[in-house]
Amino acid sequence: EAGVAQSPRYKIIEKRQSVAFWCNPISGHATLYWYQQILGQGPKLLIQFQNNGVVDDSQLPKDRFSAERLKGVDSTLKIQPAKLEDSAVYLCASSTGVTGTDTQYFGPGTRLTVL
Amino acid sequence: AQTVTQSQPEMSVQEAETVTLSCTYDTSESNYYLFWYKQPPSRQMILVIRQEAYKQQNATENRFSVNFQKAAKSFSLKISDSQLGDTAMYFCAFMEYGNKLVFGAGTILRVKS
Repeated sequence: EAGVAQSPRYKIIEKRQSVAFWCNPISGHATLYWYQQILGQGPKLLIQFQNNGVVDDSQLPKDRFSAERLKGVDSTLKIQPAKLEDSAVYLCASSTGVTGTDTQYFGPGTRLTVL
Repeated sequence: AQTVTQSQPEMSVQEAETVTLSCTYDTSESNYYLFWYKQPPSRQMILVIRQEAYKQQNATENRFSVNFQKAAKSFSLKISDSQLGDTAMYFCAFMEYGNKLVFGAGTILRVKS
């Protein structure tokens, strides 16, 4: 079974530029998550989708971050404009979404460096 | 809000020996789930072990086992017969109903030959 796929793996941009990350979850997984992991810290949830609807985006900085999951499969996370403090690894995870306490499976992440 | 605390930023262990990583959490819920995830250097995070709070029996997965003390809100991970491939960042995480994971800050484990 294929795991969670993410691209690109690495991205370097200048501050105030925009950037987008892509995630393809495990086939059949209804729930998709985006996390931000700043160096030396644990991942922090940015947004959670159930199919193509948003369940929780309370920690998403909506003035600059946006995310969508059209058709309930792939998802993109966008940052516009980027700030220096956005430098982090952005992790995508997915789960079956069946029980409400499902194990999450993580992708390899996208390492973003903002200069 | 739930919090997860990992008090050991770094630990090291000799190959073949046993090491225990500590984790405490804070919640007012009675039913929840606890996880240990492993994140090797430059590699993706993988699940090590999962514990349901309603189960009194401690979870085990091969060389990995937990000591779950619900009253003390403690959830430690024991790695037996440590191997070089166990070198990684280990995260303790908490989940209640709704699938939201809250992570600790992590413990870097180095296994030495």
